[in-house]
Amino acid sequence: DVVLTQTPVSLLISLGGQASISCRSSQSLVHSNGNTYLHWYLQKPGQSPQLLIYQVSNRFSGIPDRFSGSGSGTDFTLKISRVEPEDLGVYYCLQRTHNPNTFGAGTKLELK
Amino acid sequence: QIQLVQSGPELKKPGESVKISCKASGYTFTDYAMHWVKQAPGKGLKWMGWINTYTGKPTYADDFKGRFVFSLEASASTANLQISNLKNEDTATYFCARSKLAFDYWGQGVMVTVSS
Repeated sequence: DVVLTQTPVSLLISLGGQASISCRSSQSLVHSNGNTYLHWYLQKPGQSPQLLIYQVSNRFSGIPDRFSGSGSGTDFTLKISRVEPEDLGVYYCLQRTHNPNTFGAGTKLELK
Repeated sequence: QIQLVQSGPELKKPGESVKISCKASGYTFTDYAMHWVKQAPGKGLKWMGWINTYTGKPTYADDFKGRFVFSLEASASTANLQISNLKNEDTATYFCARSKLAFDYWGQGVMVTVSS
């Protein structure tokens, strides 16, 4: 199975600051069709996960441009600029290129 | 608007069975696959598998073969997850999520507690 390693495990950020989360894959996430199925989610406390970024760098409907995704192959990054209180929670990356689908272990974003 | 509404919390004893439902609205049910995701208390997300809502064919991740069954009531735009012979380690929140590329909409989750 593909292992997604997220770093850091937790992140202390001041309001208005910038956060960067890494997701590294044990194998390339480029599908045979040329697409890369690496997605990012935020799970706020007591809620279900919500899609932020799909296919590496595309913001989902209603997601502010403070969120951006980048990367290729095995290395991916989620950046959150101008952190707001509603950004707090656990961030997960998900790969759907290979079966089984696998999630990273999560990165908890907390306020400093 | 697009919604996935799941059934309520369950408290079961070891060895019993449970059936969780996920009712979709706001889109054509058969246009999107339905996936199931497990989250044990305080833990991360684990993909359980998915069901093709057009054909009804389920696919299970290895850890969820045997006691887990995905099914549909397509006329009611509902996907179901049944777990038989419940074990303590099945205590978790179970989410349904629809997908084409990513899991874009999720249900609110169902907490299943297995305790004697």
